[in-house]
Amino acid sequence: RKEVEQDPGPFNVPEGATVAFNCTYSNSASQSFFWYRQDCRKEPKLLMSVYSSGNEDGRFTAQLNRASQYISLLIRDSKLSDSATYLCVVGHNDMRFGAGTRLTVKP
Amino acid sequence: ETGVTQSPTHLIKTRGQQVTLRCSSQSGHNTVSWYQQALGQGPQFIFQYYREEENGRGNFPPRFSGLQFPNYSSELNVNALELDDSALLLCAINPGRGGEETQYFGPGTRLLVL
Repeated sequence: RKEVEQDPGPFNVPEGATVAFNCTYSNSASQSFFWYRQDCRKEPKLLMSVYSSGNEDGRFTAQLNRASQYISLLIRDSKLSDSATYLCVVGHNDMRFGAGTRLTVKP
Repeated sequence: ETGVTQSPTHLIKTRGQQVTLRCSSQSGHNTVSWYQQALGQGPQFIFQYYREEENGRGNFPPRFSGLQFPNYSSELNVNALELDDSALLLCAINPGRGGEETQYFGPGTRLLVL
């Protein structure tokens, strides 16, 4: 079993749609959680940290369920510029990345 | 803006050769991590350095080695290159201490082994 597993995707959605990404992790001792965004042939960039209480940044909402070892990312009112691969990241002494879920937002 | 840079941007090597990649940052930082990202995969943790000492290692063989210098720049060395080493090699810095905090990535070095 992989340490961090994500929806395989790809997700193809129209502009304005709401899309949700899911992620599960195997190490119950994990202490930090993030979503990164990676554009084609670019480096990963931090989208947002994920906190137990849940957190929101504009159109993006991240949630963490420690009991279920589950992380989610919700994107509302999708824009063309949201097209990218979204990486779930879990930290415990070091950072472990999921394989990523590719999102394409179409006009 | 951390201004993480990596060199070279692209590299082509043949099997059995050795390669040295470099990473530096405009801002001071204590911790640097290196990752390997194969096509269609997420980055895989190679190792981390904190104050010039290795501070954790992923599931990579000893032919992957590194250094961190007093000026916070870092090197990744790979000996006896194999075809499967072809990947995007990324370094990432932590502004603070420890591997759990936010990391900021450099643009990566694309390595192709023929």
